[in-house]
Amino acid sequence: SQQGEEDPQALSIQEGENATMNCSYKTSINNLQWYRQNSGRGLVHLILIRSNEREKHSGRLRVTLDTSKKSSSLLITASRAADTASYFCATDDRGSTLGRLYFGRGTQLTVWP
Amino acid sequence: DARVTQTPRHKVTEMGQEVTMRCQPILGHNTVFWYRQTMMQGLELLAYFRNRAPLDDSGMPKDRFSAEMPDATLATLKIQPSEPRDSAVYFCASGSRYRGSGQETQYFGPGTRLLVL
Repeated sequence: SQQGEEDPQALSIQEGENATMNCSYKTSINNLQWYRQNSGRGLVHLILIRSNEREKHSGRLRVTLDTSKKSSSLLITASRAADTASYFCATDDRGSTLGRLYFGRGTQLTVWP
Repeated sequence: DARVTQTPRHKVTEMGQEVTMRCQPILGHNTVFWYRQTMMQGLELLAYFRNRAPLDDSGMPKDRFSAEMPDATLATLKIQPSEPRDSAVYFCASGSRYRGSGQETQYFGPGTRLLVL
C-alpha cells in the first residue's frame, strides 16, 4: 500500500535542539503533508509540500521532499517542550483522484525542558 | 474558529451493544473521513464521503459497521453489535482543498474514545 513510514519511531531531545523526522513512501504522489497529534487530541495539519517542490518553510518547520528517493523530512528547529507530540506524514496517490490520504505510524517526539 | 465536532467524546459500553458516533464537519467542507486509531494498527481509514456520497468504505468491517451522512452537517458511524476489539479512538475529519493544489487538507475532530467491555 502507499502508507508512509516515519523514522525514527521515537525521538527524545532537549529544548533548543533541532528535531529531524523522516518519512518514506512507496508510490508516486501529488503532495505530501505533515500532521501533529498531541496526546489525546486529533491530528492537526502542519504543512503541505507539492511534488514539484523540494523544500518548504513555515516558522520553525522545514520540510524537504525528494521524489526520486520517495522520501521527506521534517525539521523542527530550536525545539520547545510544547513541541512534544506525535508527527505523521501523509501522502496521496498520484494514480487516484479520490483524494484520500495515507498516514504513517508516526514519530513520537519528546522535548525535555 | 471553525472546528470539527464529535460526540460523544467518551463511550464505555458492553459487548453486543450498539454504538453510534456523530460528527459535524466544518461548514462548507464537502469531504468527510472516518478513521480508527489504535496502538497496534495506527491510524486506519474506515470510510469517506464526498458531497454526502460514499467514496470508499473498504476499510470498514461491513458486517457490523455502517457509515452515513444524513445531511451535509452530520456524519454518523455505527457499530452493531460492538465487540471488545472495536475499542479504539475514532476520528472524524473533514476536507478542504488546499490553495488550488487539488490536495485536501484534513481537519480532525477531537475523537471518540470507545471502550467495549
